[in-house]
Order: sequence, then C-alpha cells, then structure tokens
Amino acid sequence: QLHLQESGPGRVKPSETLSLTCTVSGRSIDRSSYNWGWVRQAPGRGLEWIGSIEYSGSTDYNQSLVSRVTVSIDTSKNQFSLKLRSATAADTAVYYCARLAGRAGTLIGWFDSWGPGILVSVSS
Amino acid sequence: EIVLTQSPGTLSLSPGERAILSCRASQSLISTYLAWYQQKPGQAPRLLIYGASGRATGIPDRFSGSGSGTDFTLTISRLEPEDFAVYYCQQCGRSITFGQGTRLEIK
Repeated sequence: QLHLQESGPGRVKPSETLSLTCTVSGRSIDRSSYNWGWVRQAPGRGLEWIGSIEYSGSTDYNQSLVSRVTVSIDTSKNQFSLKLRSATAADTAVYYCARLAGRAGTLIGWFDSWGPGILVSVSS
Repeated sequence: EIVLTQSPGTLSLSPGERAILSCRASQSLISTYLAWYQQKPGQAPRLLIYGASGRATGIPDRFSGSGSGTDFTLTISRLEPEDFAVYYCQQCGRSITFGQGTRLEIK
C-alpha cells in the first residue's frame, strides 16, 4: 500500500525559504516506473502544479515559479523535497506531494496517489 | 502555457441525475495527456480518469471521460450523494496545468 506524507514547518516568515519533505512508504522511490511531484492549493482556490522529479533527479518546474523553486530526491531515505525561496504571503497554501504516473521515461503524466497535504502559512 | 477552461463553474443537480462537466484546452491535446480529479473539502484530490477515458483503480463505472483535441468531458451517469464535490481537469501535454474547477452541488 503506497503512502505519501508531507512534513515541514507550518509557518514561514516572508522572504525566507519554504522547505517541505515528502516521505514515501510502501514502494521504493528509485524505481523507474513512476515519478514524483508537488502541487499546491491556496485557500479557497484551485490546484497549481509546482514541479516534478524523476527518480534519476531530472526535474520540470512551473515556469511561474522556476526562479524560486528546487525539487530534489533522496533515494536512500525514500524521500523527495521542495524548497521555495523568497516566500511571500501569496505562497500560503496547502502543499501536496504526489506520485506521477504516465509516460515512462518522461515527466509527462497524472498524479495517481497523493499525500494528505500540509498547510503552510507565510507570515511574520 | 496550455490554459484549461472548465464549465460550468457550478453545477446544481439532484442525486440520480446525470452530470456533464466540460474542459476546454487553449491548444489541441493528445488525448493521452488529459486527466480528471475529484476533490472533497479537506481532502487531497483523487484521480478519476487518465488518458481522457481510462478509469483509475477503484473508480466506479458511473464515471466516464471522453473527448479529443481541445474539448473533453467528464460524465457521471447517475449521481450518488458522495459525488458532490469539486472536479478538476489536468493536462500534461506541455508542462502541467489544471483547470479552475467545477463545483458540483446538491440541488
């Protein structure tokens, strides 16, 4: 049974870096069949894709966030992580980690398994 | 960026009725690259449909997807009480984007 769980601070100060980790259990993260990603949802708003990563470390990012975001993977810990620099109030959202299924060998796909989400508030 | 526009914004129906939700893309998509999700309050989204018409694991057959090019549809044949939620479409043909959502509410 695959399980994803987000962890990290629930509050970040403006201009600081928002850092989250997704711990995957029930499946090895370094198998090539699936990739991984982050999606966020501001309060009362829709879903926004942040970025995705292959088990090998290749990444793809939302162009509106690419200058501030880094997604990385640690196969030894079965985790992948998100860093969003220079946070502002507009980054306040529920952040979800998810498994990306779809076209093998690419970051093209859909999210077939999700963590429960973690609310991160950016405020002083 | 491919923009997805969902309609209607809100759909009010009764249990037992059929729901038809629309997702229109700003550029033509390969059908393989269109998915649908359901989200209930306080919960993570759940994948319903991938590749425009493939049902995800455990999804009841009252949910079906169709479409091609720029116009895609999610149909719920007979609404159950648990189907009232927000529905999102997502494309992955060029990067990843989501539609703004359709809220399906009880009439």
